[in-house]
Amino acid sequence: EAGVAQSPRYKIIEKRQSVAFWCNPISGHATLYWYQQILGQGPKLLIQFQNNGVVDDSQLPKDRFSAERLKGVDSTLKIQPAKLEDSAVYLCASSGETWGSDTQYFGPGTRLTVL
Amino acid sequence: GEDVEQSLFLSVREGDSSVINCTYTDSSSTYLYWYKQEPGAGLQLLTYIFSNMDMKQDQRLTVLLNKKDKHLSLRIADTQTGDSAIYFCAPYGGDSSYKLIFGSGTRLLVRP
Repeated sequence: EAGVAQSPRYKIIEKRQSVAFWCNPISGHATLYWYQQILGQGPKLLIQFQNNGVVDDSQLPKDRFSAERLKGVDSTLKIQPAKLEDSAVYLCASSGETWGSDTQYFGPGTRLTVL
Repeated sequence: GEDVEQSLFLSVREGDSSVINCTYTDSSSTYLYWYKQEPGAGLQLLTYIFSNMDMKQDQRLTVLLNKKDKHLSLRIADTQTGDSAIYFCAPYGGDSSYKLIFGSGTRLLVRP
């Protein structure tokens, strides 16, 4: 079974530019998550989708971050405009009903550097 | 909200056992996960324990849960250099509204 796919793996931009990340979850997984992981910290949830609807976006900085999951499969996360403090790894995860829990499987992440 | 604490660093010799500890605050967490993160990689699910269990063993991994003290530990037997990574515990469920809450992780260094 293929895992969670993310692209690009690395991105370097200047502040005030825009950037987009793409995620393809495990086939059949209804729930998709975007996390931000700043160097030296654990991942922090930005947004959670159930199919194509938003379940939780309470920690998404909505003035500059946006995310969508059209058709309930792939998802994109966009930052516009980027700030220096957005430098981090952006992780996508997906989950389905396995073992009676909402076990999350993570992709390899996109490392963003904002100069 | 939920708070998760882990020691930042652990160094062990190859072949020894490693014990990584975690404390959390939400006693109503239903599952408690352990993830491993190697340099430049995403998070790899290692194991999990349901909150009504005290112990779970999975090959070289043993998870112990003390629900009264809200303390979770991961023991790795016969630690190998390939086990060098950052380990995150992540409670799930309860008052955290069914989100995974991560601590800052424990960096495990295995010396040859």
